[in-house]
Amino acid sequence: ETGVTQSPTHLIKTRGQQVTLRCSSQSGHNTVSWYQQALGQGPQFIFQYYREEENGRGNFPPRFSGLQFPNYSSELNVNALELDDSALYLCASSLVGDQETQYFGPGTRLLVL
Amino acid sequence: SQQGEEDPQALSIQEGENATMNCSYKTSINNLQWYRQNSGRGLVHLILIRSNEREKHSGRLRVTLDTSKKSSSLLITASRAADTASYFCATDSNDYKLSFGAGTTVTVRA
Repeated sequence: ETGVTQSPTHLIKTRGQQVTLRCSSQSGHNTVSWYQQALGQGPQFIFQYYREEENGRGNFPPRFSGLQFPNYSSELNVNALELDDSALYLCASSLVGDQETQYFGPGTRLLVL
Repeated sequence: SQQGEEDPQALSIQEGENATMNCSYKTSINNLQWYRQNSGRGLVHLILIRSNEREKHSGRLRVTLDTSKKSSSLLITASRAADTASYFCATDSNDYKLSFGAGTTVTVRA
């Protein structure tokens, strides 16, 4: 167990809808990153938050946005869902002083129909 | 785009045998990490090797890193059925944003 939880476990949405995925990290983990993993592929970095500010973004459009809260929880929001957004979404957090080691949650599997 | 490329894509071995998988990457790195993923769930951190290290061990795992060839290998010795999973290498170029390969799927037959 990594101490990182994600909700919901599974989600089905239709094209054009909006979705919010949630992640809860361990106390003291002030950096959270989000990754998208398409079926059969490795995770792709979406963005990272550090002390509630975005700290880098991968090759994802602005309709992917995030929030990080002081209580070590965070959200990934995706607007105007597309079929290709169907994937496993993973959050990962790391501890102050050991940011090299990232602790991954179990993921949220999103299906867009 | 993905920085790392694992080889082979899939590996099937008998319980007790060793499993070796390789990872190649393109740009300079601060460290390289290996992760395991069971049945499309969360990633479990296995081992981290820094750019100034050449070999590292953790239990039945042995990782090597050759920065001149931009490659790494992961060896799992005396494999068990519980080692059946997908294995990913991930590179960190000093900004804590991991870049993953497509993974190697390992099946350990009883």
